[in-house]
Amino acid sequence: NAGVTQTPKFRILKIGQSMTLQCTQDMNHNYMYWYRQDPGMGLKLIYYSVGAGITDKGEVPNGYNVSRSTTEDFPLRLELAAPSQTSVYFCASSYPYSTHEQFFGPGTRLTVL
Amino acid sequence: AQKITQTQPGMFVQEKEAVTLDCTYDTSDQSYGLFWYKQPSSGEMIFLIYQGSYDEQNATEGRYSLNFQKARKSANLVISASQLGDSAMYFCAMRVHTGGFKTIFGAGTRLFVKA
Repeated sequence: NAGVTQTPKFRILKIGQSMTLQCTQDMNHNYMYWYRQDPGMGLKLIYYSVGAGITDKGEVPNGYNVSRSTTEDFPLRLELAAPSQTSVYFCASSYPYSTHEQFFGPGTRLTVL
Repeated sequence: AQKITQTQPGMFVQEKEAVTLDCTYDTSDQSYGLFWYKQPSSGEMIFLIYQGSYDEQNATEGRYSLNFQKARKSANLVISASQLGDSAMYFCAMRVHTGGFKTIFGAGTRLFVKA
């Protein structure tokens, strides 16, 4: 099992550009999540999905969009990138119970200049 | 409101000694899970230990134990016999059913292990 994979690992964007962060999991988890981690801070939830076709906003959704067409994939779209979106982005997946931990991808380090 | 509070931005511990990292939480849910994750300088998130809200015994995983005091709403992580490789950022997190099993993270505690 590869677990949770994310691409790219690093990316530099110019202000106003758009990009998609890819996330794939092979554990057949229903739940998938996108977090951002600003320097020296904890993780903040951007969007989450409880299954294919179902997504919902987290704590900091502005400037982002998601889709979930399959169980495995949960891409995060940044439209009109801004310097405030410079962060490390983590994708995670889990089973739908409070007893189960989340499995995290390695993260994508994004810089917007 | 759901919230996790970690009041220690940084902690120092001597190698081979034990250290306690503090975590308090707030939720009105009766069923919830408490987790600790380690984030080394390489950046990945590593799951360490879990405690369920209905578990009567404190969770243990090797050198990690979770001191769960439900009435005080605290879930402190205890690392015994600290090693240099324990130097990292540690996050306390809570998972609740309300709102789709979202996980709420604290701000983290950076642990420095001294030789």
